[in-house]
Amino acid sequence: KQEVTQIPAALSVPEGENLVLNCSFTDSAIYNLQWFRQDPGKGLTSLLLIQSSQREQTSGRLNASLDKSSGRSTLYIAASQPGDSATYLCAVSTGANSKLTFGKGITLSVRP
Amino acid sequence: DGGITQSPKYLFRKEGQNVTLSCEQNLNHDAMYWYRQDPGQGLRLIYYSQIVNDFQKGDIAEGYSVSREKKESFPLTVTSAQKNPTAFYLCASRIAGDLSEQYFGPGTRLTVT
Repeated sequence: KQEVTQIPAALSVPEGENLVLNCSFTDSAIYNLQWFRQDPGKGLTSLLLIQSSQREQTSGRLNASLDKSSGRSTLYIAASQPGDSATYLCAVSTGANSKLTFGKGITLSVRP
Repeated sequence: DGGITQSPKYLFRKEGQNVTLSCEQNLNHDAMYWYRQDPGQGLRLIYYSQIVNDFQKGDIAEGYSVSREKKESFPLTVTSAQKNPTAFYLCASRIAGDLSEQYFGPGTRLTVT
């Protein structure tokens, strides 16, 4: 059974810092991996999708990498801003019908 | 604007009552999903549907039911058999195929007292 882990559960950084959020998964037979952002009380916003054949994807200040063989992904946020404060979830797509398995998320707080 | 709508945003029910949560999408997506989110937990899959008139149980289907009579609609009924129904419910959709991205609606917060 696929398990997704995100550690730590919470992170607080000063504004302007570059940071890395980690995600690990137990079964390397994935189709793709998605990173999402969730603001309090809101739905999920897709940030980046990495296919299993890709190593990384970039969107603005965000860069996500995937190392399928080691079961790891990282989300790099450059020059963090208070507006980046949110919970970041990673999810992997595996198995029949490409169901997503989610980590519990990392709650990020960027201090002004 | 294309997107996924969920209504209502907040829902309150008394214990023992069934309640139906709405999910509509105008993205022409084939697959639709229902997830449940509890504080400090990852999202857990309740039901999903790949095509109209077909759906499968997810990891925590007990106490829930769904229908998929139209491509754009995938309502979720929380029955009185669900032991802990208070949660945040999220609907998602994607186009057909294993490599596509899932998109989420804004969610419905259900409180049962």
